[in-house]
Amino acid sequence: EVQLLESGGGLVQPGGSLRLSCAASGFTFKSYAMSWVRQAPGKGLEWVSIIYSGGSNTYSADSVKGRFTISRDNSKNTLYLQMNSLRAEDTAVYFCAKDRFGDLLFFDSWGQGTLVTVSS
Amino acid sequence: DIQMTQSPSSLSASVGDRVTITCRASQGIGYYLAWYQQKPGKVPKLLIYAASTLQSGVPSRFRGSGSGTDFTLTISSLQPEDVATYYCQKYDSALALTFGGGTKVEIK
Repeated sequence: EVQLLESGGGLVQPGGSLRLSCAASGFTFKSYAMSWVRQAPGKGLEWVSIIYSGGSNTYSADSVKGRFTISRDNSKNTLYLQMNSLRAEDTAVYFCAKDRFGDLLFFDSWGQGTLVTVSS
Repeated sequence: DIQMTQSPSSLSASVGDRVTITCRASQGIGYYLAWYQQKPGKVPKLLIYAASTLQSGVPSRFRGSGSGTDFTLTISSLQPEDVATYYCQKYDSALALTFGGGTKVEIK
């Protein structure tokens, strides 16, 4: 059974940093692209970043480009999101999501999410 | 950037009704479209990919169609357990894996 467990969320001041982690199990982690998707309170889904299975190709939404960095450690089956220069509008639940087939860029398994709150 | 516009933003229908949700891309995306269902308080669930391919385990009352810029998700006979918000997502390019704004489906 696929399991994705996010951690690292919390309350941070504007301009601060956080590092989210997503521990994966139940599948061959190194074979799948992984993504972060966020959802602000009461709002819709917003794609944040994706990293291909090999780790060399990464892409991010314009709203986080230059501030957020996605990475992965295939030896630890873990996905990361380093978030710097956080803003109030980054407040959201952050989900990690697994690609359905490998590197096809849509997602069949989601973690339960970790809440990031940016506030002074 | 390609924008994904869903309509309506919400709808209310009776059990057994046929429900149709539309997703429109501002430029053509071929068949690179997925649909997700998110029930209240739950994580998103993949329903359909490649515009019309049903994900394993999804009831056959869900159907996707379309290509290019216009796509639809149809629920042939609405059930109480279908109360949820539905999202489309384009995946033609990793540069922007955009979601639509969502359609909230309620029971009348």
